[in-house]
Amino acid sequence: AQKVTQAQTEISVVEKEDVTLDCVYETRDTTYYLFWYKQPPSGELVFLIRRNSFDEQNEISGRYSWNFQKSTSSFNFTITASQVVDSAVYFCALSEGETSGSRLTFGEGTQLTVNP
Amino acid sequence: NAGVMQNPRHLVRRRGQEARLRCSPMKGHSHVYWYRQLPEEGLKFMVYLQKENIIDESGMPKERFSAEFPKEGPSILRIQQVVRGDSAAYFCASSPRLQETQYFGPGTRLLVL
Repeated sequence: AQKVTQAQTEISVVEKEDVTLDCVYETRDTTYYLFWYKQPPSGELVFLIRRNSFDEQNEISGRYSWNFQKSTSSFNFTITASQVVDSAVYFCALSEGETSGSRLTFGEGTQLTVNP
Repeated sequence: NAGVMQNPRHLVRRRGQEARLRCSPMKGHSHVYWYRQLPEEGLKFMVYLQKENIIDESGMPKERFSAEFPKEGPSILRIQQVVRGDSAAYFCASSPRLQETQYFGPGTRLLVL
């Protein structure tokens, strides 16, 4: 069965600090996809990134970067020089290959608060 | 290109009433998913549909909940005889194909009094 663990329930940082959100997953499939979504206080879910299990290259998008390591089953998310607008709940999610269709299994989320 | 649309955004029902939640996927998307977010919890998968077919309903409660995605019109999540425990945010997502990125709507916040 697939499972996603986000051990950090809440993180609080001061603006301009770097912060890393951890995500550890479990799956028996060799083909799977990993995602990060952002849920700001307004409540909507914003897609950030999708990664397939065959692509372990790290990715950088502006102040955001992602570190995918199959050896440790982790897909961590780093925000560099955090800003108040980064305050949100961040969800890591997993979708397995053919066995479970496309349904997403979400972690419990990490509440990030960036203080001015 | 409009995103996923959900209505209503907020819905208040009394215990025993019916709730109907609507979801219009993004243009060109034929795969629709429903998720529920209970207060202070993460999102849980409920059901996955394609046009006129339920593909995976493994996350749907056994009673009172049903979903459809007709050939024409939006997908509907229907909750009969609502109870207070049904109070939650219900999110719809759509994707163009299997295993593609799911884009979420703004959600419907259901409050059962």
